[in-house]
Amino acid sequence: AQSVSQHNHHVILSEAASLELGCNYSYGGTVNLFWYVQYPGQHLQLLLKYFSGDPLVKGIKGFEAEFIKSKFSFNLRKPSVQWSDTAEYFCAVNHYGGATNKLIFGTGTLLAVQP
Amino acid sequence: DVKVTQSSRYLVKRTGEKVFLECVQDMDHENMFWYRQDPGLGLRLIYFSYDVKMKEKGDIPEGYSVSREKKERFSLILESASTNQTSMYLCASSLASNTGELFFGEGSRLTVL
Repeated sequence: AQSVSQHNHHVILSEAASLELGCNYSYGGTVNLFWYVQYPGQHLQLLLKYFSGDPLVKGIKGFEAEFIKSKFSFNLRKPSVQWSDTAEYFCAVNHYGGATNKLIFGTGTLLAVQP
Repeated sequence: DVKVTQSSRYLVKRTGEKVFLECVQDMDHENMFWYRQDPGLGLRLIYFSYDVKMKEKGDIPEGYSVSREKKERFSLILESASTNQTSMYLCASSLASNTGELFFGEGSRLTVL
């Protein structure tokens, strides 16, 4: 069965520190990959997405993610975090072109950035 | 701007009560979803609808049913609420192209006593 693993459940950083959140998926076919973010009290929203092409994708607010097919990974990075990045981050994988309409989410990583 | 609206942000119900959670989207999206969000478990799909009156079970449909009588509206029904259904419920919508890009509502936090 397809699955998505986020190994970091809770991350605490100081402002200006660099961030990398891990995401690994198990699926042998072509995939669409996503990072969603949920800021405190707000709705879940798309941070960035990868469908094809350049494996390094850039999203909103200075975030980027790199798709490494050989490692089945799609890690999220930001060179310098801000207090406003405090949120829960979810990695998600969708079977490319599949009819199942099934987006598989990871369990989420709660990021707390200390000022 | 894209909008998914969930009718109730917070609900408190008693065990055995019937619960309706409603969701409306204004984007003319074909697909609508109900997820359940629990700490440490991420988001789990309860039901999915790809057209009016059409539905498919997700990963955890037991104890839930859904209704989609109009394209813009998708309701989640708990026929007899139980304490293990205390959770955050998220509605989402997407285009029929099924790219995986979802638009979410703000969530409905249900507490069953």
